[in-house]
Parts: sequence; C-alpha cells; structure tokens
Amino acid sequence: NAGVTQTPKFQVLKTGQSMTLQCAQDMNHEYMSWYRQDPGMGLRLIHYSVGAGITDQGEVPNGYNVSRSTTEDFPLRLLSAAPSQTSVYFCASSSSGRTYEQYFGPGTRLTVT
Amino acid sequence: SQQGEEDPQALSIQEGENATMNCSYKTSINNLQWYRQNSGRGLVHLILIRSNEREKHSGRLRVTLDTSKKSSSLLITASRAADTASYFCATVDTGGFKTIFGAGTRLFVKA
Repeated sequence: NAGVTQTPKFQVLKTGQSMTLQCAQDMNHEYMSWYRQDPGMGLRLIHYSVGAGITDQGEVPNGYNVSRSTTEDFPLRLLSAAPSQTSVYFCASSSSGRTYEQYFGPGTRLTVT
Repeated sequence: SQQGEEDPQALSIQEGENATMNCSYKTSINNLQWYRQNSGRGLVHLILIRSNEREKHSGRLRVTLDTSKKSSSLLITASRAADTASYFCATVDTGGFKTIFGAGTRLFVKA
C-alpha cells in the first residue's frame, strides 16, 4: 500500500512552459485535493475532487487545471507557468466523501524561472 | 485568505515540557483538524474535532474547540525531541469539501 504518490519530486520550468504534476492513491479514496505551500505559509487549496468526473475550484485555482477520470489519479496541469507558481505542491486524499483526515503525498517542489 | 491563524508562530521548549498552540478562525466550520509537518515532508493528520465537540484526546495530544470564540488549542504533553515540527490547524467548511490551513506554529523541542 503506497498511499499517496506524487511525481516528479522536483521540477524546474521556464516561464510560459506547461506541465502536469501527477498524483495517485491506492486507497480507493473518493476525495482528492491539490494544495500549494509557499514559504512561511500554510497550505492553500487549488482544486479538489469528490469522485471520478467531479472537480471543483478551491481558494487559488487560477492558472491550474485538473481532471479526474479515475478514482486513483488526480493530475494537476499548469497551463502557462509563471514565477508566482514557484511553490511546493501537495496532493492529498480522504477516505470519506468529505475532507476528513486527509492523507498527503510527499510533495513536488516546483521552480519557475 | 487564510482562515486559521496560529499563535505563537514559533515555540521553543525543553524536552518533557508541555507545548500549547492556539488557532483562531473566522467562519462557521464542520470540523477542525491539526496536522504535523516535518521539515520538507508531507503533512500528517494528528486529530480531528467536530464542531459539536469541545475536547478530544489522543495519546499525548489534547485538543479543545470553542466555537463561540472561534478558537482551538492543541496541547502536547511531555514533549519529546521527535515532536520538533510545524503544526497546522485546518478548518473544514460547513459544506465539508474545502479545507483552509493556518500558517502554522514551528515547535522546537530541545533535548
């Protein structure tokens, strides 16, 4: 049971490039979410999903897209990277349909130059 | 915007002492959770308290919730060096789908 996995661990992008951060969980959790964490701050919710085919925006959705075609996977796409998107990105999942006790992945450290 | 604001921002104590962290929030909640983050790692869930509960215990952790004051506290008793980490409170909205994290308290426990 791997829990929540994220790839890549580190990524450097140039301004304007696009990329996809991968997130997968093997716990059959319905709820999945993406957060970003900036230095000295807590996590801010980007997007979340309550099940396959259902996604919604969080606190800071601009510049990011998500989709949920399977229960296991919840990729986060950066459409046109900007330096303001330099951050550590965490994916999380929850066993209930709502955000009770989230399990977090190890994070992806993204730098946009 | 950040719902939860934690106090203090940083705390340094000796091993064996108790550590208390406070969290305040602004809007009605479904539940409040506390998480721990070791440097450079993902967050680990510690404890959840529902809006209709006032106190909850889990091992050396004690959480209180005062919905009238929109505040919560986390007490870690008999701290250990291994408790050194950042601690975050997180509030879940009444709809149950959105979680908002505070900026965290950095705890340093000296051996």
